[in-house]
Amino acid sequence: KAGVTQTPRYLIKTRGQQVTLSCSPISGHRSVSWYQQTPGQGLQFLFEYFSETQRNKGNFPGRFSGRQFSNSRSEMNVSTLELGDSALYLCASSSGAGAFSNTGELFFGEGSRLTVL
Amino acid sequence: AQKVTQAQTEISVVEKEDVTLDCVYETRDTTYYLFWYKQPPSGELVFLIRRNSFDEQNEISGRYSWNFQKSTSSFNFTITASQVVDSAVYFCALIQTGANNLFFGTGTRLTVIP
Repeated sequence: KAGVTQTPRYLIKTRGQQVTLSCSPISGHRSVSWYQQTPGQGLQFLFEYFSETQRNKGNFPGRFSGRQFSNSRSEMNVSTLELGDSALYLCASSSGAGAFSNTGELFFGEGSRLTVL
Repeated sequence: AQKVTQAQTEISVVEKEDVTLDCVYETRDTTYYLFWYKQPPSGELVFLIRRNSFDEQNEISGRYSWNFQKSTSSFNFTITASQVVDSAVYFCALIQTGANNLFFGTGTRLTVIP
């Protein structure tokens, strides 16, 4: 059974650009959540999607957005990139009705490492 | 407010030593879940354990064991007879039931020296 797949694994952008990251969950999983990991702020929850609907959102500015498709694949977008957006972006999928509604067991991808110059 | 504190930023041990990773949490809710995740160098977080607030039984899984004490709001993780493959960053996390935001601690980087 394939795990959570995130693309691209690495990317470099410059300030002001925008970026789109993709996440393919484990087959059959309908819940996808996104996290930002930085040395300074640690792991922070961005948002969670279930059945193409955003169910929860963390404390991030509107430049961070996401969506989920009918096949449960998810994308997140960051517009007008800032230096502080450099981070490892992790995606996780879950088999439950929400990321944390059942066992809370999240299956993570290896992340997309974004560098903003 | 919810908060997870992992006071140990980095720990180094020699192979076969036992090591305990500390986790202290804060929450006003009486119903919550606690987790431990392992993050190897490859980056993905690997689920290790979940414990709900009503289950204070300690758990052992092979060389791993967890000590949950509500009286001290702690959920500590012990690795017995550590191995080089245990080298990773370990995160403790908390979620209140009904909430959908998983709060992570800052992580403890464990290095096991051969």
